[in-house]
Amino acid sequence: NAGVTQTPKFRILKIGQSMTLQCTQDMNHNYMYWYRQDPGMGLKLIYYSVGAGITDKGEVPNGYNVSRSTTEDFPLRLELAAPSQTSVYFCASSGQGGVETQYFGPGTRLLVL
Amino acid sequence: AQSVTQLGSHVSVSEGALVLLRCNYSSSVPPYLFWYVQYPNQGLQLLLKYTTGATLVKGINGFEAEFKKSETSFHLTKPSAHMSDAAEYFCAVSTFSGTYKYIFGTGTRLKVLA
Repeated sequence: NAGVTQTPKFRILKIGQSMTLQCTQDMNHNYMYWYRQDPGMGLKLIYYSVGAGITDKGEVPNGYNVSRSTTEDFPLRLELAAPSQTSVYFCASSGQGGVETQYFGPGTRLLVL
Repeated sequence: AQSVTQLGSHVSVSEGALVLLRCNYSSSVPPYLFWYVQYPNQGLQLLLKYTTGATLVKGINGFEAEFKKSETSFHLTKPSAHMSDAAEYFCAVSTFSGTYKYIFGTGTRLKVLA
């Protein structure tokens, strides 16, 4: 049981490039989330999903897109990378109800230059 | 509106001393309350949570927290700090009332001094 896995662990992007951060969970959780973590700012919710085919914006969605075609996968897409998107990105999942414990992946560190 | 406030972005304690990390929340409906810990270069992991029932909740690694509704608080304590407790700690509140809300505090970095 791997829990929540994220790839890549670290990536450097040039301004204007695109990339997809991958997230997979094997706990059959309905709820999945993407957060970004900046120093001293805690976690900011980017997007979340309550099930396959259903996604919704969080607090800071601009510059990102998501899709949820399966229960297991919840990729995050950056279309035109900007220096402001330099951050550590965490994917998480939780069980039915959404108010339960969230299980986090190890994170992706992204540097946009 | 729902919110979480963690007092003190940095807390230092001596090894063996009491750890107290403060968390206050606001919510118009009964909340679920959580403490998560983040070790360097890792994701967050659950320390403990309060859903219903007993207001004193025990978690992993000797930590506990008490839900005090009258004070809207959920402070985290540990009687005796260990060097391995050095990490960042996040309080979170979760509610469902027609819509779903899950909010994290801004975190408290705990430093343990030898």
